[in-house]
Amino acid sequence: SQTIHQWPATLVQPVGSPLSLECTVEGTSNPNLYWYRQAAGRGLQLLFYSVGIGQISSEVPQNLSASRPQDRQFILSSKKLLLSDSGFYLCAWSAARTATFFGQGTRLTVV
Amino acid sequence: AQSVTQLGSHVSVSEGALVLLRCNYSSSVPPYLFWYVQYPNQGLQLLLKYTSAATLVKGINGFEAEFKKSETSFHLTKPSAHMSDAAEYFCAVSDDSGAGSYQLTFGKGTKLSVIP
Repeated sequence: SQTIHQWPATLVQPVGSPLSLECTVEGTSNPNLYWYRQAAGRGLQLLFYSVGIGQISSEVPQNLSASRPQDRQFILSSKKLLLSDSGFYLCAWSAARTATFFGQGTRLTVV
Repeated sequence: AQSVTQLGSHVSVSEGALVLLRCNYSSSVPPYLFWYVQYPNQGLQLLLKYTSAATLVKGINGFEAEFKKSETSFHLTKPSAHMSDAAEYFCAVSDDSGAGSYQLTFGKGTKLSVIP
């Protein structure tokens, strides 16, 4: 069966520091991969998606970037965090339009 | 462009009462629709989905939803609320941009409280 791993679960980082969140999927090949952000009272916002290695699409202009160095690995990064980057970040995968599966999320607090 | 509207950011029901969470969508293509549940500080768990087969869809934990094309709705119901149903619920529509990315567009969520 397929599983998705996302880490760390919580992170407190100072303003201006770098960020790296990692997500890996097991049990499937060539999944679509996604990064969503959830801010209080604002629902879920799609940040990036990838349909293959090295293929990244960005949905909103921002201080973040994403990379997909391997088929089942998706990384969210920032060179310098802003206060506004705080939120709950969710990695997800899908293999078809019929279902998308989410990781457990990372709570990022920028101080 | 697709969109999802969830009516009511907070809903409170008594334990044992009917749960009704509302979702309306707009879509330029036949929609695939989903309900997800989120417990505090956890990811989203798929409750049920509509993918153009039966219009009444049954999911986990006793929830079901009915797709009504004429009303562009996909409301979530459960006959009898349980304390463990207290969580946030998200309705979503799947986009098929043609590039195979299958992005989800979410509503803003409805927080369900269950009163003992």
